[in-house]
Amino acid sequence: NAGVTQTPKFRVLKTGQSMTLLCAQDMNHEYMYWYRQDPGMGLRLIHYSVGEGTTAKGEVPDGYNVSRLKKQNFLLGLESAAPSQTSVYFCASSHGDSRRGYTFGSGTRLTVV
Amino acid sequence: GENVEQHPSTLSVQEGDSAVIKCTYSDSASNYFPWYKQELGKRPQLIIDIRSNVGEKKDQRIAVTLNKTAKHFSLHITETQPEDSAVYFCASRGSSGDKLTFGTGTRLAVRP
Repeated sequence: NAGVTQTPKFRVLKTGQSMTLLCAQDMNHEYMYWYRQDPGMGLRLIHYSVGEGTTAKGEVPDGYNVSRLKKQNFLLGLESAAPSQTSVYFCASSHGDSRRGYTFGSGTRLTVV
Repeated sequence: GENVEQHPSTLSVQEGDSAVIKCTYSDSASNYFPWYKQELGKRPQLIIDIRSNVGEKKDQRIAVTLNKTAKHFSLHITETQPEDSAVYFCASRGSSGDKLTFGTGTRLAVRP
């Protein structure tokens, strides 16, 4: 039982490049989320999904896209990376009724130069 | 949408003393309030949570109190130890779905 797994753990991109962050969970959770963490700003919601095939915008969705083709996977895409997207990205999942809160992945540290 | 404010941003205490972190929320329909601890370079981990039908919850040295009228909740850590040093985040679940809105975090340092 791995919980929530994120890949990659670290990445350096040049401005304008694209990449996809992968989040996988094996807890049969319905809900999945992508957050970004920046110093002094806490965790801000980018996009989320309430089930397979569904996605919705969070607080800071601009510049990102997501897909949830399978229940266990939630992908976060950056089509044209910008330095402002330098951050630590956390994926999380939950049952959807807050029985046990979120389970977070270990994070991806992304630097855009 | 929901707004969560957290204070203080940094807190330094002597080992053995108590630490208190306070959060306020804006959505009066919010019904779930978890607290997460994040050690340096690690993922946030749930340490305690409280639902809106409860005023206080305790787990060993950690307790959380909720005042729905004032829309604020607090984390209390007693007999602090060096391993309590971390960043603590409060969060609130508002009236729409299971999304959590997080506070900006409190960096707690426990001095030996």
